[in-house]
Amino acid sequence: DGGITQSPKYLFRKEGQNVTLSCEQNLNHDAMYWYRQDPGQGLRLIYYSQIVNDFQKGDIAEGYSVSREKKESFPLTVTSAQKNPTAFYLCASSIPKGPMNTEAFFGQGTRLTVV
Amino acid sequence: AQSVTQLDSQVPVFEEAPVELRCNYSSSVSVYLFWYVQYPNQGLQLLLKYLSGSTLVKGINGFEAEFNKSQTSFHLRKPSVHISDTAEYFCALSGNTPLVFGKGTRLSVIA
Repeated sequence: DGGITQSPKYLFRKEGQNVTLSCEQNLNHDAMYWYRQDPGQGLRLIYYSQIVNDFQKGDIAEGYSVSREKKESFPLTVTSAQKNPTAFYLCASSIPKGPMNTEAFFGQGTRLTVV
Repeated sequence: AQSVTQLDSQVPVFEEAPVELRCNYSSSVSVYLFWYVQYPNQGLQLLLKYLSGSTLVKGINGFEAEFNKSQTSFHLRKPSVHISDTAEYFCALSGNTPLVFGKGTRLSVIA
C-alpha cells in the first residue's frame, strides 16, 4: 500500500541532544513537508521541499534542519538550538498542480518529548 | 499573506443532531480549500476538498462543505453526527504556497 511512514511513533530526548525524525513516502510525490502541532495551535510549517536537493524554511524553522537527498525521504533533525521541542511532528507529501499545491497526505506522526 | 480562521475551538453536539464547523479564510490569490480530520495521536485524514467547479463539495463519512467566495468561507456540515465523529477538524488552504491550517475545532459528540 502507498503511504507515508514516520518513525519512531514516540521519541524521548534529553535536553541538549540532537534527534532525527524519519519520514519516507512511496507515493512518488515531489513535494514533502514537516509540520509541528501543539495543543490549540493548529499545524505550523517547519520546512518544505518541492524537489530533490532543494528545500525552504517555513514559519518556524529555527532550531530544525532537513535534507532531501532522495525523492522518497525527508528526515527532520531537531537540534539542541530548538528551545521547546516537545510536540507532535507530522510529515506530509503532495503533488503540485501547476503553481498550486493540492491536498497533502499525512503520516501518523512522531510525538517527541524532552526529558 | 494567507490565513485561515476557525471560528469555534470546541463544538459539543448531541448524537444524531446536525453540526456546522465554521471556517473563514483570507487570501489575495485564488486558493484551494480543504477539511481534514484528526483522531487522537494520529495523522490527518482528508475529508473533502474544493479545487474548482461546484461550490457544494461532498466528502467522506457524510460530511459536506460549501465554498462561498463572497463571504470567504468554507463551512463544514453534517446532518446527523455519530459518536465516532468525535475528533479534531482542521480547515486548510493552499495557493502557490504549502498548506496553511486553522487552529482546529474539537467536535465532541454526546450520547
